[in-house]
Amino acid sequence: DSGVTQTPKHLITATGQRVTLRCSPRSGDLSVYWYQQSLDQGLQFLIQYYNGEERAKGNILERFSAQQFPDLHSELNLSSLELGDSALYFCASSAGPNSYNEQFFGPGTRLTVL
Amino acid sequence: KNEVEQSPQNLTAQEGEFITINCSYSVGISALHWLQQHPGGGIVSLFMLSSGKKKHGRLIATINIQEKHSSLHITASHPRDSAVYICAVSNTDKLIFGTGTRLQVFP
Repeated sequence: DSGVTQTPKHLITATGQRVTLRCSPRSGDLSVYWYQQSLDQGLQFLIQYYNGEERAKGNILERFSAQQFPDLHSELNLSSLELGDSALYFCASSAGPNSYNEQFFGPGTRLTVL
Repeated sequence: KNEVEQSPQNLTAQEGEFITINCSYSVGISALHWLQQHPGGGIVSLFMLSSGKKKHGRLIATINIQEKHSSLHITASHPRDSAVYICAVSNTDKLIFGTGTRLQVFP
């Protein structure tokens, strides 16, 4: 158990809908990273927050947004969902702000868009 | 061409065999990570290294910064080592991932 929690574990929804994925980092970790893992693209970095502020942005679509709250949990919002958004979404946390800090991964949320 | 390449893509082995998985990268990095993804999907960080060699139990990771290459070795492989092994490099503010090596170890 990494200490990182993600909810829900599974999510099935329809095209055009909006969903929110939630992540709670390990106790004491200030950084939260979001990743998408799809069959055709592999793991891709989406976005990072550090202590409430956006720190780095990757291949995140404009339809997606995220935030980190004062209690350090983070939410990833996916809107106008398309079939191609079906994937595993992982969050990870680390103590420091840099990508070379060791990251601890949550169990993932499997999103299926029908 | 991917910035992080892994080989082989798939690997099968008999229990007890010595395993090597390779990772080459073409970008500047501050560190390289080896991750293990279990069949259920969970991801565990195995190593993070920026130079030299690290060992943890039966796992050994090495990196050659000049050649932009890293290897993950598993000694005395066991069926519970069956998983996908992913190499990732820290490039500026993000991790760039390889496509993974699927390892199956048979008893």
